[in-house]
Amino acid sequence: RKEVEQDPGPFNVPEGATVAFNCTYSNSASQSFFWYRQDCRKEPKLLMSVYSSGNEDGRFTAQLNRASQYISLLIRDSKLSDSATYLCVVNWIGGATNKLIFGTGTLLAVQP
Amino acid sequence: ETGVTQTPRHLVMGMTNKKSLKCEQHLGHNAMYWYKQSAKKPLELMFVYSLEERVENNSVPSRFSPECPNSSHLFLHLHTLQPEDSALYLCASSTTSGSSYNEQFFGPGTRLTVL
Repeated sequence: RKEVEQDPGPFNVPEGATVAFNCTYSNSASQSFFWYRQDCRKEPKLLMSVYSSGNEDGRFTAQLNRASQYISLLIRDSKLSDSATYLCVVNWIGGATNKLIFGTGTLLAVQP
Repeated sequence: ETGVTQTPRHLVMGMTNKKSLKCEQHLGHNAMYWYKQSAKKPLELMFVYSLEERVENNSVPSRFSPECPNSSHLFLHLHTLQPEDSALYLCASSTTSGSSYNEQFFGPGTRLTVL
């Protein structure tokens, strides 16, 4: 099983649609979770951290389910500018190692 | 300058060349990272420095040699690379909380092509 697994997409949605991405992780000892956004040929940028209680930032809602070891990102009222690759990131803890593991990303294309 | 900067932004080199990538962070962070991003693959962590000490080396070939002279600067020295090393090399920095690494902030990357 991959350490962090995401559906690569692409997700093609019309403007105004609601879209959800899921991500699963294999290390139950993981403590920190993030969603990053990466535009084409640009560096990844932090979109939001994911907290156990769930958190919302404008049109974006992130949720964590520790029992099932998955993280979700919900985008409401999609904009053209939301088109990007969304990376699920998990803080992986194994022995003396503590590092962030990135998923392959989910590509979102919002259509006019 | 703010954030994380990287130079050069683009680099083309032959297999026998020696070159260095430079990263500088202006965020007061105490951990810095090198990642490799190839097409259709997830980011691959190469090296982690925390408080200027290397704490992670993910079985990276010796033709990649990192250097962290201080908490704000990170270098990646390249020597005798292979064409499959062509990729986007990203530098990132973060703070640490105890043994945990926090949100990472990335530089714009160096797009490397090895001929």
